[in-house]
Amino acid sequence: DQQVKQNSPSLSVQEGRISILNCDYTNSMFDYFLWYKKYPAEGPTFLISISSIKDKNEDGRFTVFLNKSAKHLSLHIVPSQPGDSAVYFCAAKAGYALNFGKGTSLLVTP
Amino acid sequence: DTAVSQTPKYLVTQMGNDKSIKCEQNLGHDTMYWYKQDSKKFLKIMFSYNNKELIINETVPNRFSPKSPDKAHLNLHINSLELGDSAVYFCASSSLATWESHSPLHFGNGTRLTVT
Repeated sequence: DQQVKQNSPSLSVQEGRISILNCDYTNSMFDYFLWYKKYPAEGPTFLISISSIKDKNEDGRFTVFLNKSAKHLSLHIVPSQPGDSAVYFCAAKAGYALNFGKGTSLLVTP
Repeated sequence: DTAVSQTPKYLVTQMGNDKSIKCEQNLGHDTMYWYKQDSKKFLKIMFSYNNKELIINETVPNRFSPKSPDKAHLNLHINSLELGDSAVYFCASSSLATWESHSPLHFGNGTRLTVT
């Protein structure tokens, strides 16, 4: 039973536009959420995070929004750049483990 | 000067064999982990380990065992390999255990294990 779901396996966005990646979760005990970015043949790298007591966190072009009542979070990338093309994993923490979604493959086209 | 390094990058072996994957981190982190990414692309925790505690995901078969010779290393030993063990295995580390803090994980580049 996947507790973290990324229902869009892929997303294509034009350079300069906004990329919105979505993530839903089922476990109300999750207290911290993270986004990781992964290039082919590399490990995931930490991108941005948000605590469950907040609803928004911003870092440069990246903003994460958390809607606890809907058990939904999203990652906004503005403006999108070709170097942002990668797989993005949503992760949620409860206890000792991070629970990851399946990832969304983002392609930013020139 | 890779922060978290795993060897080998690729490992092809036959069913029934015993193999090890090595992991080293030079970040001075206290806690290390092994994750498995299966064919459906899910990343799942296998082990969390620091010098105080080893936490094992109960779904991991006991053919898998982590071995830590020191704080900078957490190797993964797999006995009697099965076809279903084929996956990409990621080592990771963090400055404090995830159950103690929100320290993000730093991942290695993965080891692709293929069991034939």
